[in-house]
Amino acid sequence: AIQLTQSPSSLSASVGDRVTITCRASQGISSALAWYQQKPGKAPKLLMYAASNLQSGVPSRFSGSGSGTDFTLTISSLQPEDFATYYCQQFNSYTFGQGTRLEIK
Amino acid sequence: QVQLQESGPGLVKPSETLSLTCFVSGDSISSYYWNWIRQPAGKGLEWIGRIYTSGSTDYNPSLKSRVTMSVDTSKSQFSLNLNSVTAADTAVYYCARETWVAFDIWGQGTMVTVSS
Repeated sequence: AIQLTQSPSSLSASVGDRVTITCRASQGISSALAWYQQKPGKAPKLLMYAASNLQSGVPSRFSGSGSGTDFTLTISSLQPEDFATYYCQQFNSYTFGQGTRLEIK
Repeated sequence: QVQLQESGPGLVKPSETLSLTCFVSGDSISSYYWNWIRQPAGKGLEWIGRIYTSGSTDYNPSLKSRVTMSVDTSKSQFSLNLNSVTAADTAVYYCARETWVAFDIWGQGTMVTVSS
């Protein structure tokens, strides 16, 4: 099965910072990747699909890029509501990354 | 708008079968893949499997021997059965709709505890 490795596993940042999270696949998956945001006690929320497409209603400060094995999620200017855990997911065999916890510095 | 709602017992005994249902409202259940995902407390997400409205299924290889999914389009719902459960199956279980390279709609999740 294809494995996804996210880095970092956790990250401390301040409001207004630019943040990048990386997701690496163990083999090529073209652009078959999605990103989710999850807050405590809530279901994950779709942010990006097909690696670089912004889901309707998601703020434009979120962006995604990559193809093949290396992908990134960037938040251009952190807002208080962005502190959460982020997951990538690949759509060849549907596995998720282990998550990146984004905390307030 | 489309909403998903999981339902089922919150407590299951070891070695028994976990059974959950996901009700789809606000849109047709037809022509989509419907998925189950779980998350143990404090841990990451694990994909369990998916079912198309035709009944075609795909399962996580690590759970395949214990999982069965079904769909009832007349009731706008789909179901998960996981047999021979152990404490390791204790988790929040989510259902989700699959669109192009994404799970775009998720249920709120239901906590299932495996304990005697």
